[in-house]
Amino acid sequence: AQSVTQLGSHVSVSEGALVLLRCNYSSSVPPYLFWYVQYPNQGLQLLLKYTTGATLVKGINGFEAEFKKSETSFHLTKPSAHMSDAAEYFCAVSEAGDFTGANSKLTFGKGITLSVRP
Amino acid sequence: DTGVSQNPRHKITKRGQNVTFRCDPISEHNRLYWYRQTLGQGPEFLTYFQNEAQLEKSRLLSDRFSAERPKGSFSTLEIQRTEQGDSAMYLCASSLKLGQGVYGYTFGSGTRLTVV
Repeated sequence: AQSVTQLGSHVSVSEGALVLLRCNYSSSVPPYLFWYVQYPNQGLQLLLKYTTGATLVKGINGFEAEFKKSETSFHLTKPSAHMSDAAEYFCAVSEAGDFTGANSKLTFGKGITLSVRP
Repeated sequence: DTGVSQNPRHKITKRGQNVTFRCDPISEHNRLYWYRQTLGQGPEFLTYFQNEAQLEKSRLLSDRFSAERPKGSFSTLEIQRTEQGDSAMYLCASSLKLGQGVYGYTFGSGTRLTVV
């Protein structure tokens, strides 16, 4: 079974500073990896995903993430934080065969709340 | 298409009452999923449908929970004899399974249930 660990529940950065949100996964088979953002009282919006191919994945709103198999990590970064980035961020994993075949279910981490200081 | 629609947005109910939520997926999507998100946690998978067939149920889905997707379009999630522990955000998502690909995995805005 797969799992996701997101270290820390809250990250605070200054506007314009680097954003780094950490995600480590556990999966016995090749994973598909996802980052979602959730604003208050809203659903989840996909930021980016890794399936196969290039390990550096670019997403919306200037975010990117790098799949590092040796470290079982998929950390999310953004060079310069904006006030509108304040939200909750979730990393999720799905086993590749499951996602395209059996069920496409996602296993999420507990999430990280990002605050951006003026 | 307006995305995945969930109704109601909020539901407050007394313990012991039954509640039903509705999810309208993106029209061409053949897979539909239900997740539950409690405060401070990430969403947890409950169940999913491929067209009208319910193909997998999580152990989180107790006997008090039932989900249907009668015509392969909208879905309902019913909770019988609600308990305070059922208080959560219930999220619906849909996607298109086509060949070896899964496309357009989209979440709705959720139904927030409060059991008092």
